[in-house]
Amino acid sequence: GAGVSQTPSNKVTEKGKYVELRCDPISGHTALYWYRQSLGQGPEFLIYFQGTGAADDSGLPNDRFFAVRPEGSVSTLKIQRTERGDSAVYLCASSLQQYNSPLHFGNGTRLTVT
Amino acid sequence: AQKVTQAQTEISVVEKEDVTLDCVYETRDTTYYLFWYKQPPSGELVFLIRRNSFDEQNEISGRYSWNFQKSTSSFNFTITASQVVDSAVYFCALSAYNQGGKLIFGQGTELSVKP
Repeated sequence: GAGVSQTPSNKVTEKGKYVELRCDPISGHTALYWYRQSLGQGPEFLIYFQGTGAADDSGLPNDRFFAVRPEGSVSTLKIQRTERGDSAVYLCASSLQQYNSPLHFGNGTRLTVT
Repeated sequence: AQKVTQAQTEISVVEKEDVTLDCVYETRDTTYYLFWYKQPPSGELVFLIRRNSFDEQNEISGRYSWNFQKSTSSFNFTITASQVVDSAVYFCALSAYNQGGKLIFGQGTELSVKP
């Protein structure tokens, strides 16, 4: 079946602009996660959803970052007033259950802030 | 605090050699999960294995094997008879037992297998 889909695959934006990154999880997966991966580093947790609600947003770096999952499926990560330091690959993952299933990752969105 | 350390930044081997990727972790939790993921050049993280802290049995899957030693807080990964297709960045990760999807990743080891 289809895997986790992330769009766009690449996004270039100017400093100060607003961006939205989309994640389409595997059908039926109730848990959804966002991670951020900087060059040469491992992914860092941002936020996770169980259904429609954000169950843990402790990894969001500041209030410029926000994510939603209004119908419990597709999620959007929103970044306001982008800064050059936001440049990274943003990874989305989904799983069947919150605790016991391995994560299935998408290919990521590479965000470049100029 | 939880932490995962992969001291080897890059490893280069010739095809058919065996290679071991090291992973050392820190946690105050008594129960936790350990993982290995593979990230090929395409960028998608591919799940390889999950281990819970109750189970210290070593595991073998084809050419892959994992050695979990709680006494040394290590979870090392060995590829036997490496192949060019094994070239990728490999990440070790840790999660608390009740937060299975909230992973703490190491910095990764880039493995290059040359023909």
